[in-house]
Amino acid sequence: EVVLTQSPATLSLSPGERASLTCRASQSVSTYLVWHQQKPGQAPRLLIYDSSKRATGIPARFSGSGSGTEFTLTISSLEPEDFAVYYCQRRNNWPYSFGPGTKLEIK
Amino acid sequence: QVQLVESGGGVVQPGGSLRLTCAASGLSFNMYGMHWVRQAPGKGLEWVAFIRYDGDNQNYADFVRGRFTISRDNSKSTVYLQLNSLRADDTAVYYCVKGGYYDVWSHNDYWGQGTLVTVSS
Repeated sequence: EVVLTQSPATLSLSPGERASLTCRASQSVSTYLVWHQQKPGQAPRLLIYDSSKRATGIPARFSGSGSGTEFTLTISSLEPEDFAVYYCQRRNNWPYSFGPGTKLEIK
Repeated sequence: QVQLVESGGGVVQPGGSLRLTCAASGLSFNMYGMHWVRQAPGKGLEWVAFIRYDGDNQNYADFVRGRFTISRDNSKSTVYLQLNSLRADDTAVYYCVKGGYYDVWSHNDYWGQGTLVTVSS
């Protein structure tokens, strides 16, 4: 089974700074990798699909890149509402596992 | 717009059973695959199960196979998750997630608000 790891576990930054979050897969998932954002008490929200495509309504400050086993989610300039937990998920075949998450917190 | 409303959660003893229900509206339900995803308190997300748009194919995470069963009733726009032989580590919020149009996944997810299952004696 493909295992996803995310780094760092916690990222402390200030509004206006650039955030880079990494997701690594134990085997290639091609570009079948998505990113979700989850805020406390809310269901996750899809940000990025197919590694680099923004979902409907997602601001342009969010971007994704990568293929194979290494992926990056970049937030170009953090807004206060971006502080949340971010999960990657593989969608190439089942089981459609998630990474353990990166908590993006205000410094 | 698309709405997914889960129900059926509650407190159950170890070894017990529950049936979760997800009622969908705002979409042609019989054209979409559906998933269940869970989240233990304070923990990450776990994909649980998938059912194809017509109900003819189901996939499960290894940790639930044989204990949980996903099914659907397209006439009622509803997907179910039958939970049997429940264990303490099945305690979680269970989310219903809309899948793809005649496909497994969508490029535009919709999630329900979740229903909490607590397994405790």
